Amino acid sequence: KAGVTQTPRYLIKTRGQQVTLSCSPISGHRSVSWYQQTPGQGLQFLFEYFSETQRNKGNFPGRFSGRQFSNSRSEMNVSTLELGDSALYLCASSTSWTVQETQYFGPGTRLLVL
Amino acid sequence: SQQGEEDPQALSIQEGENATMNCSYKTSINNLQWYRQNSGRGLVHLILIRSNEREKHSGRLRVTLDTSKKSSSLLITASRAADTASYFCATDTEPNFGNEKLTFGTGTRLTIIP
Repeated sequence: KAGVTQTPRYLIKTRGQQVTLSCSPISGHRSVSWYQQTPGQGLQFLFEYFSETQRNKGNFPGRFSGRQFSNSRSEMNVSTLELGDSALYLCASSTSWTVQETQYFGPGTRLLVL
Repeated sequence: SQQGEEDPQALSIQEGENATMNCSYKTSINNLQWYRQNSGRGLVHLILIRSNEREKHSGRLRVTLDTSKKSSSLLITASRAADTASYFCATDTEPNFGNEKLTFGTGTRLTIIP
């Protein structure tokens, strides 16, 4: 099976712009989670989707949003970008909505905000 | 916020030696997982140990869990250059069925010297 894919892999934006990142889970996986990784804060949970429904959300401002489509592909959107949003954004998929299942991570999208 | 704290933050050893890294966490858990991340890439799941297990093996990996001390250790035996990576522990916070999310520790940067 193909692994989790994320597009784009690299992105440069300026403050105030918005950005949309995409994640395609492993075939058959219905859960997609998003994480932000920065040197200062480490890996932070953003949100999780299962069967097109957001099941869980981390402590991020409303500028961060996401959605999941019927084919389980997911997108996350960050509006009004700030310098501090520069990070590696990782998505992970699993067969079930419970984190007691193995999470399979994509390679990430590296976002640089100037 | 970080649920887990890894110790040490960085570790350098000679190839062939064993590497041990530790993880401490704060709240009760259902399971604890270890992940590896090669420089700036996605995470790879290594092993999952459940709260009712004390030790688990997978190839050259040995994981222990002490729920009374809220700590876990990852031992990599006979290290190889390819083991150079960052290692993270992850726990399921809010361990009420249906509301779990993965919370990652701060990571240990392991360097294997050829």
